[in-house]
Amino acid sequence: QSVLTQPPSVSGAPGQRVTISCTGSSSNIGAGYDVHWYQQLPGTAPKLLIYGNNHRPSGVPDRFSGSKSGTSASLAITGLQAEDEADYYCQSADRSLSGYVFGTGTKVAVL
Amino acid sequence: QVQLIQSGAELKKPGSSVKVSCKASGGTFSNYGFIWVRQAPGQGLEWMGGIIPVLGISNYAQKFQARVTITADESTSTAYMELNSLTSEDSAVFYCASTETGKWLAEIDYWGQGTLVTVSS
Repeated sequence: QSVLTQPPSVSGAPGQRVTISCTGSSSNIGAGYDVHWYQQLPGTAPKLLIYGNNHRPSGVPDRFSGSKSGTSASLAITGLQAEDEADYYCQSADRSLSGYVFGTGTKVAVL
Repeated sequence: QVQLIQSGAELKKPGSSVKVSCKASGGTFSNYGFIWVRQAPGQGLEWMGGIIPVLGISNYAQKFQARVTITADESTSTAYMELNSLTSEDSAVFYCASTETGKWLAEIDYWGQGTLVTVSS
């Protein structure tokens, strides 16, 4: 069972901005652990999209941005494109579980 | 750039075990830790456990602790995940992933292609 909660789906028209929330607790995000985001295209492995709350790996468009506050984090996609249709997962670490934790996942649909 | 190549799809009977391998290349094996993640059909990502070979340390998610063993062989640059007492609920894609040991419990940089395990009588 996931300990980080995300909305099941979000959608937007091409060019619009969408945001995905990731809600945790005082034993993970609120304990100071960074939040990271992954994009999973259909039938493929997850790909690191944002690390350390708000940093983009080389090659990730600056349309993707992340933020963290308190026990929550958010991923924003601006200028939504058809190729952004995918599942998105947040990830952090949990002090009580002594390991990694993933979000429940959010499917992004481009209308 | 580390590449992770996993072993092929498996068909297993309920009650049996499966062992999935993950061969790393393109980096120094001892610089990395390895993580295993389960993804059931249409479901999310679930951390199973991980290992830091250079420290000889492994830890497991409570849900899997009684049934999973994660090991690593530095001589072949390969990590392994063995899951016992399989049920139909274990039918899933299993991903091997890796990160530098200094970034353990932080972001996961590299992912294998996934191994489909089907449990059926």
